[in-house]
Amino acid sequence: DQQVKQNSPSLSVQEGRISILNCDYTNSMFDYFLWYKKYPAEGPTFLISISSIKDKNEDGRFTVFLNKSAKHLSLHIVPSQPGDSAVYFCAATIKGGSEKLVFGKGTKLTVNP
Amino acid sequence: ETGVTQSPTHLIKTRGQQVTLRCSSQSGHNTVSWYQQALGQGPQFIFQYYREEENGRGNFPPRFSGLQFPNYSSELNVNALELDDSALYLCASSLGGAQPQHFGDGTRLSIL
Repeated sequence: DQQVKQNSPSLSVQEGRISILNCDYTNSMFDYFLWYKKYPAEGPTFLISISSIKDKNEDGRFTVFLNKSAKHLSLHIVPSQPGDSAVYFCAATIKGGSEKLVFGKGTKLTVNP
Repeated sequence: ETGVTQSPTHLIKTRGQQVTLRCSSQSGHNTVSWYQQALGQGPQFIFQYYREEENGRGNFPPRFSGLQFPNYSSELNVNALELDDSALYLCASSLGGAQPQHFGDGTRLSIL
């Protein structure tokens, strides 16, 4: 049973436009959510996180939104750049980012120049 | 500041063999976690070590075992290798609590 779902395997956007990556979860015990970016032949790189006590967290071009009632979070990238092309993983955990992470399958983002 | 380093980068083994993968955590990080990433999947939690003690385990059989050393580096051992063990093995370290985990580049293990 997949507790974290990323239903879009891929997403293609134009440079300068907004990229929106979505993630759904089923376990209501999750209280901390993270986004990781992964380039080929590299490990996942931490991007941004959000605690369940917030509904939005922003870091530069990256914003994560959390809708607890819908068990849904999204990552917005504005403006998108070609260097953002990567696989993005949504992850969830209980009690904080250093605990066991439950990952989605990832969404491959392609930003076209 | 040195990040998480893993060795080797690639490894080829045959069914039934045993393998040891190594991980050096980021400086000051006392918590190390191991994940298995199969092709087309997200990473799956194997286990975590905190100050040399196992601190949580995912749904993996006992032939997956680990160690953490006093300098917080870690090993993942897999016995009786099976074809399905072919995957990218990722190590991640953190300071604990709400701090995010930082990953190494992984070891690509292929079982023939």
